[in-house]
Amino acid sequence: QIQLVQSGPELKKPGESVKISCKASGYTFTDYAMHWVKQAPGKGLKWMGWINTYTGKPTYADDFKGRFVFSLEASASTANLQISNLKNEDTATYFCARGRHWFAYWGQGTLVTVSS
Amino acid sequence: DIQMTQSPASLSASLGETVTIECRASEDIYNGLAWYQQKPGKSPQLLIYNANSLHTGVPSRFSGSGSGTQYSLKINSLQSEDVASYFCQQYYDYPWTFGGGTKLELK
Repeated sequence: QIQLVQSGPELKKPGESVKISCKASGYTFTDYAMHWVKQAPGKGLKWMGWINTYTGKPTYADDFKGRFVFSLEASASTANLQISNLKNEDTATYFCARGRHWFAYWGQGTLVTVSS
Repeated sequence: DIQMTQSPASLSASLGETVTIECRASEDIYNGLAWYQQKPGKSPQLLIYNANSLHTGVPSRFSGSGSGTQYSLKINSLQSEDVASYFCQQYYDYPWTFGGGTKLELK
């Protein structure tokens, strides 16, 4: 069955970096784009952008340009999200989601807590 | 960016009741709309895509309708397991955007 399994929760200090992984299984990884979605505690969903899993080309929403990097380890069917120079407002659950338009498959989410 | 305004923000309903959640887009999104259900501590689950197509495995009491800028999600005969938050998402134009969400509780 199709699964997206994300890495575990992270506790970081402001200014540090974090890398979240999303390992896909049950389908051909390069056939579907991978998107990233942010959900701050008690808040709604915010689309961060996506990565073309065939070419590796990332596309970022405006609010996520600069400190956010989408990457792939295609041989491992894994998509990664790296956030540098963490800020308190980056505290959130980050989801990977498979699809081009709508998202039928989601990872379980990775909680990143930024606190001094 | 296309703004998605979802209403109501919260809703209390009784078991067996019919519930409707609305989503208004700031411009025509030509049925490029999905609805998701999210339970606390879980990832969102796709309910509806293309405004009115039921995702595989979703109970038929869920339905979507609308066109242009106005869309709605209807839940017939509310069940206890439907207590959750619901979000709409437009995918007509980048950046994809979500509505603010509707928290559905039991009365």
